Amino acid sequence: NAGVTQTPKFQVLKTGQSMTLQCAQDMNHEYMSWYRQDPGMGLRLIHYSVGAGITDQGEVPNGYNVSRSTTEDFPLRLLSAAPSQTSVYFCASSYGQGFRYGYTFGSGTRLTVV
Amino acid sequence: EDKVVQSPLSLVVHEGDTVTLNCSYEVTNFRSLLWYKQEKKAPTFLFMLTSSGIEKKSGRLSSILDKKELFSILNITATQTGDSAVYLCAVDSIIQGAQKLVFGQGTRLTINP
Repeated sequence: NAGVTQTPKFQVLKTGQSMTLQCAQDMNHEYMSWYRQDPGMGLRLIHYSVGAGITDQGEVPNGYNVSRSTTEDFPLRLLSAAPSQTSVYFCASSYGQGFRYGYTFGSGTRLTVV
Repeated sequence: EDKVVQSPLSLVVHEGDTVTLNCSYEVTNFRSLLWYKQEKKAPTFLFMLTSSGIEKKSGRLSSILDKKELFSILNITATQTGDSAVYLCAVDSIIQGAQKLVFGQGTRLTINP
């Protein structure tokens, strides 16, 4: 099925460990982004990309890295996990200018850092 | 600083009631306002609003945008238990030349039978 695929769905990390959350879309969307969702705070933008080879920081980028080597993939790397990074992470994509076509969200990754 | 504020944060009603959810925003370079419904997983798209005063409707749900007063409302009539969810409002804008989606905190709606 076409859409945005996130893996894994659940992950438990120890403080200090690193890991990569995967996001892939097969809709040829130019724009991809990562959000974290914490209780009572809505979704906050971590990083985004307007196309392959181009990334930029969002509202809460510290502790996360991204790269966009292909149009399809936009992985999010946690360099040294901290308990404050316990959250649900969503990847979203849109075709060109999202305000015309809307955004498609992945099903999320629930991350717990102990 | 761009921001989106939703109210109320939480709402509990009985099945059959009508509810109105509010979303106000302050953003530069507004392009559109979007409503999403979130149950257990990913937000699912409801409406995209770009023009003032034009109501969008889908079944028992409707929404309208006021670009002068900078707010939108989402109405749900004859509510059902399946409408229980978190409703998210987001504004798509250009911030420092880049496309960004700014979300409100969400309204948690609970429909009791």
